[in-house]
Amino acid sequence: TQLLEQSPQFLSIQEGENLTVYCNSSSVFSSLQWYRQEPGEGPVLLVTVVTGGEVKKLKRLTFQFGDARKDSSLHITAAQPGDTGLYLCAGVPTTSGTYKYIFGTGTRLKVLA
Amino acid sequence: EPEVTQTPSHQVTQMGQEVILRCVPISNHLYFYWYRQILGQKVEFLVSFYNNEISEKSEIFDDQFSVERPDGSNFTLKIRSTKLEDSAMYFCASKRDHNQPQHFGDGTRLSIL
Repeated sequence: TQLLEQSPQFLSIQEGENLTVYCNSSSVFSSLQWYRQEPGEGPVLLVTVVTGGEVKKLKRLTFQFGDARKDSSLHITAAQPGDTGLYLCAGVPTTSGTYKYIFGTGTRLKVLA
Repeated sequence: EPEVTQTPSHQVTQMGQEVILRCVPISNHLYFYWYRQILGQKVEFLVSFYNNEISEKSEIFDDQFSVERPDGSNFTLKIRSTKLEDSAMYFCASKRDHNQPQHFGDGTRLSIL
């Protein structure tokens, strides 16, 4: 079974702090997507990373794709209460022989004012 | 910005009944998906649909489930003889072409009593 493991599973921090969320796999991905999901809503696409070593920035969010395309990280600078939500990585392993999207286990972030 | 829309937002059904969950994908998208998220668990792939036929399905997607694109805009998931364990959020997603990320609807919360 191909898995995307995310860590930490839960994170509660104060407003203004920095944090990093990790998404790891033993499989290679042609690309990885990061989504944020809020209660009662569907996952909302934040970014797609495609090239090994790629770094993408979205305001205070910085996404990195590992050189071997097996892992990714999301760094949030000066977290705000509005960043609260469930962060999910997702993608299709290149060796799966399918196009089935698999989702990570998720990181539930709570930013306290 | 165009979005995937799902109806109803919440469906409550007696065990054994049939339900139809409806989705309107983004209009110029060609690939369609259904996912399930049981409360507290990760998002799971159910089925993908392209060119008016199922392209892939997971082990979850057994004979109890079926999908249809009855017209040019709707994409439905039918669940027959519902069971208590079918209670979950069901998400529809679509994407324009093979290399693009998927965009998700806000889901239908299905509650089986």
